Amino acid sequence: GQNIDQPTEMTATEGAIVQINCTYQTSGFNGLFWYQQHAGEAPTFLSYNVLDGLEEKGRFSSFLSRSKGYSYLLLKELQMKDSASYLCAVRDNSNYQLIWGAGTKLIIKP
Amino acid sequence: EAQVTQNPRYLITVTGKKLTVTCSQNMNHEYMSWYRQDPGLGLRQIYYSMNVEVTDKGDVPEGYKVSRKEKRNFPLILESPSPNQTSLYFCASSLSPQPSADTQYFGPGTRLTVL
Repeated sequence: GQNIDQPTEMTATEGAIVQINCTYQTSGFNGLFWYQQHAGEAPTFLSYNVLDGLEEKGRFSSFLSRSKGYSYLLLKELQMKDSASYLCAVRDNSNYQLIWGAGTKLIIKP
Repeated sequence: EAQVTQNPRYLITVTGKKLTVTCSQNMNHEYMSWYRQDPGLGLRQIYYSMNVEVTDKGDVPEGYKVSRKEKRNFPLILESPSPNQTSLYFCASSLSPQPSADTQYFGPGTRLTVL
């Protein structure tokens, strides 16, 4: 079956670094996305990985290992505005639709 | 401004009363999709459309209908709403339905309550 796992909630301190993990088991793989979603708002795109390795974009980086079915989102120099849910989504090979994890709620403390 | 719009943003209705949630995008995107989001379950796809007059069922299509008569609009229809359809609904679009780094753009969401 199709399954994407993320921790439900994480807490971190302002200025620190946090890593949010995502593991997936899907019938096929054609790319992995990370989105940020503030409470009550729409998801917004953060990153895309299709090949193994690290993609860096400012304070945010995303890593992918296809052989392990594993990705992580790394957030550096945390700011209060980073308090949000982070959604991992995998594009299925069969119909190219996105399969979504339940999201990780990140709480930033001063 | 490039955007996806949804209306209404909030709706409280009663069981059995037909309703339509509109979705419109001004980016000439081919692909459009409807999701519902419930606590602890993440985004679940209801229906999607790869192009005009082409629609397909997602993971949770029961109780919903859609149409794609023109590229910019993709309305979601609930013929006979029930309380288990109480949820937060998002419409999304992207330029191409084909695999790429192309991201989906989301509308602001419609919070529906069915009593």
